[in-house]
Amino acid sequence: AQKITQTQPGMFVQEKEAVTLDCTYDTSDQSYGLFWYKQPSSGEMIFLIYQGSYDEQNATEGRYSLNFQKARKSANLVISASQLGDSAMYFCAMREVSGSARQLTFGSGTQLTVLP
Amino acid sequence: GAGVSQSPSNKVTEKGKDVELRCDPISGHTALYWYRQSLGQGLEFLIYFQGNSAPDKSGLPSDRFSAERTGGSVSTLTIQRTQQEDSAVYLCASSLAPVAGGEQFFGPGTRLTVL
Repeated sequence: AQKITQTQPGMFVQEKEAVTLDCTYDTSDQSYGLFWYKQPSSGEMIFLIYQGSYDEQNATEGRYSLNFQKARKSANLVISASQLGDSAMYFCAMREVSGSARQLTFGSGTQLTVLP
Repeated sequence: GAGVSQSPSNKVTEKGKDVELRCDPISGHTALYWYRQSLGQGLEFLIYFQGNSAPDKSGLPSDRFSAERTGGSVSTLTIQRTQQEDSAVYLCASSLAPVAGGEQFFGPGTRLTVL
């Protein structure tokens, strides 16, 4: 079963508008971390934002915020005031804390295009 | 300071040849990860090193793949008898500590093309 699901292969948004990228996850662990990464066409993976499963408040980093709904197992990324430079592939990822696994499990990504 | 570096940035090889990919993690980072990203796909975990502990090899797709980490720093991913399906971008990441919130810093990747 998919542990991280990103149902939007591609999204378009007008410059200066807000956009929400969806992410749902599947885990039986109580302790886990959720991450969003941005991958521009140049290929590097850029860390955007982190949410811990025990964090009561939604994480925010500048124009990025994470809409964390634990009961629904969703961790949507909200980008406010989109800029042309936001055009990129966006990946949601999870790390489960229990057991020895420490790697990130990634979703298939959402290609965001910001229109001028 | 310096980020994660990987070499070579591009590698073209013939089917059946062996290749070695190198990763230099950020100094002081004890955790090191290798991932593979096929065209248009998400990242697939390959192997994880933490300090002097035995590596977690659970993501390696076949016994043609192996990795070493020498002196707790530089890592080499080796693919023997390469196949065309091995063509992908191989990404290395490192982090300070493998806790839930430990951010992984990624290198620029090595693009491997097997002809």
